[in-house]
This record gives sequence, structure tokens and C-alpha cells, in this order.
Amino acid sequence: EAQVTQNPRYLITVTGKKLTVTCSQNMNHEYMSWYRQDPGLGLRQIYYSMNVEVTDKGDVPEGYKVSRKEKRNFPLILESPSPNQTSLYFCASRPASTGRNVLTFGAGSRLTVL
Amino acid sequence: GIQVEQSPPDLILQEGANSTLRCNFSDSVNNLQWFHQNPWGQLINLFYIPSGTKQNGRLSATTVATERYSLLYISSSQTTDSGVYFCAVTQSLFYNQGGKLIFGQGTELSVKP
Repeated sequence: EAQVTQNPRYLITVTGKKLTVTCSQNMNHEYMSWYRQDPGLGLRQIYYSMNVEVTDKGDVPEGYKVSRKEKRNFPLILESPSPNQTSLYFCASRPASTGRNVLTFGAGSRLTVL
Repeated sequence: GIQVEQSPPDLILQEGANSTLRCNFSDSVNNLQWFHQNPWGQLINLFYIPSGTKQNGRLSATTVATERYSLLYISSSQTTDSGVYFCAVTQSLFYNQGGKLIFGQGTELSVKP
């Protein structure tokens, strides 16, 4: 089944404890991105990647890092999480070739930072 | 940058009622999508509708690109329709930003039995 898989789905952590949210897609998509969802704000793009080793900041990149060493994986790294990073996170992907900008979203990762 | 506004922010319906959700956007777009976020947080793509009208069962959507708005119609609502409905748009300049979508703030729908 074609899908975007995120782990963990739920996580409670403490301020300053480094964590990584993994994202993997099995559709050979070039484009991958991370979004965060906050009440009243919808979803906002954190980082995106156009292909292996090509990443760039989205609209809300502060406090996050990403890497794209393999085409299928795009992990989101919080080096020193803070409570304002408590949010619902989504990974998404799409192929580069299509003119229709239809993203496939993962199931979401709900992160709480105490 | 482009702004996306959805209304109403909250909506409570009795089962069987009809509803219309609205999405206004401040600039021309290449793509518009409607999503349903279920109570478990999962985003489900309902419609890809940059212009025109589409129907899928009890749901239909209309986008009038020249007037910069889109409407989502839910007829004969069911409790399973509850959740948050998002409108999201993109422009050609975002294609080189991973195909970035700009989301509205959502409409939270609650359908009571």
C-alpha cells in the first residue's frame, strides 16, 4: 500500500531532551515536507526537501532540523525541544513530475513537550 | 503572502442537516484542496478542485477561482462527518518549495445524533 509512515504517533517528552520523528514513504516521491498543526492556525510548513541532500526552510523552521540522506526517509529533529513545540506534526510527500500538487500525508505525530 | 480564511470556525448540526463551509483566498491559486481531519487526527483528502464543481456522494465542492472562494457542501450530515475541515491552496511559486500548501484555520464540525 502506498503510504507515508510517521513514528512515533504519540510522544511526551521534557524540555531539552533531543528527539527525532521519523518519516518514510514507499512511493519513490522526490518531494517531502513537514508541517505542524496548531489550533486556529491550520497547518504550516516547517521544512521541505526537493530530493536527496536538498532541503530548505519552510515558514516556521526555528528549533527544527531535517536531513534527507535517502529518498524514502525525511526525519524531523528537535535538538532541544521547548513547550512551544507541542503540536501535531505531519509529514507529506509528492512526486516531482506531476502538475497536480496533491500531497500524500502521514497519519500525524502528536508531540507534547513538558 | 496569500491568505486563506475559512468560515464558520465552528458548526454544530443535528444529524440529517445540510451545511455549507466557505474558503476565501486572497490571491490567484493553481490548486485548491479540501481535507477532512477525523477525530484521530488523520487528514483525508476530499477534493482536488482548482475550479468548477465536483461531487462525491453526500459531499460536493465548488471553486469560483475568479472570485477567489470555494464552498464545501455536506448534505444529510452523519455523526461520522464530525471533525475539522481544512481548505488548502498552492500557487506556482510554491512548486519549488516542495509543493507547499497554505492552509486555512479550519472549520470544526460537530454532528449530533
